[in-house]
Amino acid sequence: DIQLTQSPSFLSASVGDGVTITCRASQGVRSYLAWYQQKAGKAPKLLIYAASTLQSGVPSRFSGSGSGTEFTLTISSLQPEDFATYYCQQLNSYPITFGQGTRLEIK
Amino acid sequence: EVQLVESGGGLVQPGGSLRLSCAASGFTFTDHYMDWVRQAPGKGLEWVGRIRRKVNSYSTEYAASVKGRFTISRDDSEKSLFLQMNSLKTEDTAVYYCARSYGDFTFWDHWGQGTLVTVSS
Repeated sequence: DIQLTQSPSFLSASVGDGVTITCRASQGVRSYLAWYQQKAGKAPKLLIYAASTLQSGVPSRFSGSGSGTEFTLTISSLQPEDFATYYCQQLNSYPITFGQGTRLEIK
Repeated sequence: EVQLVESGGGLVQPGGSLRLSCAASGFTFTDHYMDWVRQAPGKGLEWVGRIRRKVNSYSTEYAASVKGRFTISRDDSEKSLFLQMNSLKTEDTAVYYCARSYGDFTFWDHWGQGTLVTVSS
């Protein structure tokens, strides 16, 4: 199975800050990586797919990059609604796996 | 508007069975692969399994943790997805989500709101 390791697991930041979350895969996943945002009690929401493609309707302050084994999700200027948990997901091979999550909290 | 609505969750004893449903609307159900994903209380996301389309012979994939106990099926005429869960264990306690994708290697762009399954004596 492909293991995805996100760093950091916890992040504290202020409104207006820029932040970057990293996702490292134990084996190459080409560009078959997605990022999701989840708020408490809600279903995850797709932000980025194919490593760097912004899902329709997602603000342009979100961006993704990477391929192979190392990926990043960047939020350029945090807004209050961005404080949530973020997960990366690989779809390159079965079983489909997720990172452990990065919890982004307001400083 | 795309909608996925899960139902069928509840409290069940260890060793018991439960069948979850996911009702789809607002899109062409037959065009999509469908997946089940779960999230134990306070934990991360775990993929449960997938069912492909009719043209793919409704083939399925499962996580090792549920293989042989859980079965995914679909009724295209009713635009419904199902998860039959047998031999339930306490570690199966989770919110179960259904989600749609476009095929192998593709992302999940719509999810249901989830249904809670609690396995406890």
